Amino acid sequence: SQTIHQWPATLVQPVGSPLSLECTVEGTSNPNLYWYRQAAGRGLQLLFYSVGIGQISSEVPQNLSASRPQDRQFILSSKKLLLSDSGFYLCAWTTPGTSNSPLHFGNGTRLTVT
Amino acid sequence: GESVGLHLPTLSVQEGDNSIINCAYSNSASDYFIWYKQESGKGPQFIIDIRSNMDKRQGQRVTVLLNKTVKHLSLQIAATQPGDSAVYFCAETILYSSASKIIFGSGTRLSIRP
Repeated sequence: SQTIHQWPATLVQPVGSPLSLECTVEGTSNPNLYWYRQAAGRGLQLLFYSVGIGQISSEVPQNLSASRPQDRQFILSSKKLLLSDSGFYLCAWTTPGTSNSPLHFGNGTRLTVT
Repeated sequence: GESVGLHLPTLSVQEGDNSIINCAYSNSASDYFIWYKQESGKGPQFIIDIRSNMDKRQGQRVTVLLNKTVKHLSLQIAATQPGDSAVYFCAETILYSSASKIIFGSGTRLSIRP
């Protein structure tokens, strides 16, 4: 069966510090991978998605970047965090090549920038 | 632009009654719709989905209805239980190239009265 792992679960970082959140998927090959952000009490905003190694599409201009160094690894990064980067970050995967596949989410990382 | 929205941001239901959560979408090209349940501090969990060539789909205690004419989606939960308390999101899916673009609504919080 497929599983998705995100870490860390919680993170407190000062403004201006770098960020690296990691996500890995097991049990499937060449998944489509996604990063979402959720502000407190709000919906999910799509940040990045990837259809393969090294292929990243950005949905919104921002202080963040994403990379996919391996087939089942997706990393969210920032060189210098802003207060507005605080939120709940969710990684997700779907089966490639079809629109009829639900997102499967990890348990998220709660990021607080102080 | 694309958008998925919810008619009611909060819903309070008596335990044992049926719950109905509504959602409107705006993109006619969307061909797959999903309902997710999110409990506090966790990632969204898949509940039920429906393709655009269907107008109704039933699961265990849940039913999704799709009205493409008015671009409306609803989730019905039968015999609501305390464990159903959560935020519910609808999502629409559009296939772009080889990746599905999944857009979420803002969510409805469901609370259960004893």
